[in-house]
Amino acid sequence: GAGVSQSPRYKVAKRGQDVALRCDPISGHVSLFWYQQALGQGPEFLTYFQNEAQLDKSGLPSDRFFAERPEGSVSTLKIQRTQQEDSAVYLCASSQTSGTSGEQYFGPGTRLTVT
Amino acid sequence: AQSVTQLDSQVPVFEEAPVELRCNYSSSVSVYLFWYVQYPNQGLQLLLKYLSGSTLVKGINGFEAEFNKSQTSFHLRKPSVHISDTAEYFCAVNNISGGYNKLIFGAGTRLAVHP
Repeated sequence: GAGVSQSPRYKVAKRGQDVALRCDPISGHVSLFWYQQALGQGPEFLTYFQNEAQLDKSGLPSDRFFAERPEGSVSTLKIQRTQQEDSAVYLCASSQTSGTSGEQYFGPGTRLTVT
Repeated sequence: AQSVTQLDSQVPVFEEAPVELRCNYSSSVSVYLFWYVQYPNQGLQLLLKYLSGSTLVKGINGFEAEFNKSQTSFHLRKPSVHISDTAEYFCAVNNISGGYNKLIFGAGTRLAVHP
């Protein structure tokens, strides 16, 4: 079946522009995660949704970052007034359950380059 | 808090040779442990996970890992690698009691298999 999809796959933004990154999780998956992966690093947790509720946003680096999942399926990560340090791959993952042992299914990521 | 250290950033190896990718973790709470693989331009895929029970865990593609609580390690091994195993490998942990699967990743190990 279909996996996690993300769009766009690549985004180039000028410093100061706003961007919106979309994640389509696997249908029926309860949990949705966003991670940020800087070049040469492992993914770092940004935020977590259980259905439409954002239960953890402790990893969002600043108030310029905002995420939503209004109907408990598709999620959007928005970055306002982009800065060069925002350049990274943004990964979305979904999981069928809300527990701590479940497998996360990752999308291919959106590579954001801020010039 | 938890942290993960992957001791080798790159591991070159010849085809059909054995390989070990090292992972050590630090945590003040009980954790689950995971290994993910990332092929170029793709999302992360779960290789294997340790939740409880036998400390030797077998995963996909012939990989296995051994959990060593006293050494806080979870090294990944394969007895004979193929060219197709060339990829980035990430070790990750989470907090068993955290309520959801918030993964903390290491920086990754790039496995390069040469003919």
